[in-house]
Amino acid sequence: AQSVTQLGSHVSVSEGALVLLRCNYSSSVPPYLFWYVQYPNQGLQLLLKYTTGATLVKGINGFEAEFKKSETSFHLTKPSAHMSDAAEYFCAVSARSQGAQKLVFGQGTRLTINP
Amino acid sequence: KAGVTQTPRYLIKTRGQQVTLSCSPISGHRSVSWYQQTPGQGLQFLFEYFSETQRNKGNFPGRFSGRQFSNSRSEMNVSTLELGDSALYLCASSLASTGRYEQYFGPGTRLTVT
Repeated sequence: AQSVTQLGSHVSVSEGALVLLRCNYSSSVPPYLFWYVQYPNQGLQLLLKYTTGATLVKGINGFEAEFKKSETSFHLTKPSAHMSDAAEYFCAVSARSQGAQKLVFGQGTRLTINP
Repeated sequence: KAGVTQTPRYLIKTRGQQVTLSCSPISGHRSVSWYQQTPGQGLQFLFEYFSETQRNKGNFPGRFSGRQFSNSRSEMNVSTLELGDSALYLCASSLASTGRYEQYFGPGTRLTVT
């Protein structure tokens, strides 16, 4: 079974500052990992994903995440926050098996950007 | 390429009624998954359909059901609505039914049960 823990339900940073959103996962099999963003009254948009290969994954809007197996982590970072980054961010895990298209989400982290 | 569409976007129902939500996946996508999003429980997986077959099911009561048509469009039905069913219902489509393919989400249907 898979599970995801996002540390910090609310994160506030200043515009131009580093964004760090933490995600730890638990999985009995090698995981696929995803970060999604949700803006108010909208669905989820994929930021980036890790499946295999390079552990540092680059996504859209300047975000990146690093898969660290030893720490069971997949933290999301962005070097310089922009006002438009204010949204809710979800980390998710799915299992590596056929017929298992099921995402398990963390509780989400609401990111606020201060001018 | 058009994204995932969901209809209706907003819905108000009375306790005890039933409701049907519709989802049209991205063209070429054969897997459709449904999720419920609430402030208290977050995002929870309901079920997934692939080639008209339910492949995976979450931990929801039998009042929640779904189906998929030959054109990959999917419907979700909730019978005997309860106040706790008020939520944003999200549909997501994917190329195939394996965990490695990203899911593309629609804007959701916001269901309010009074």
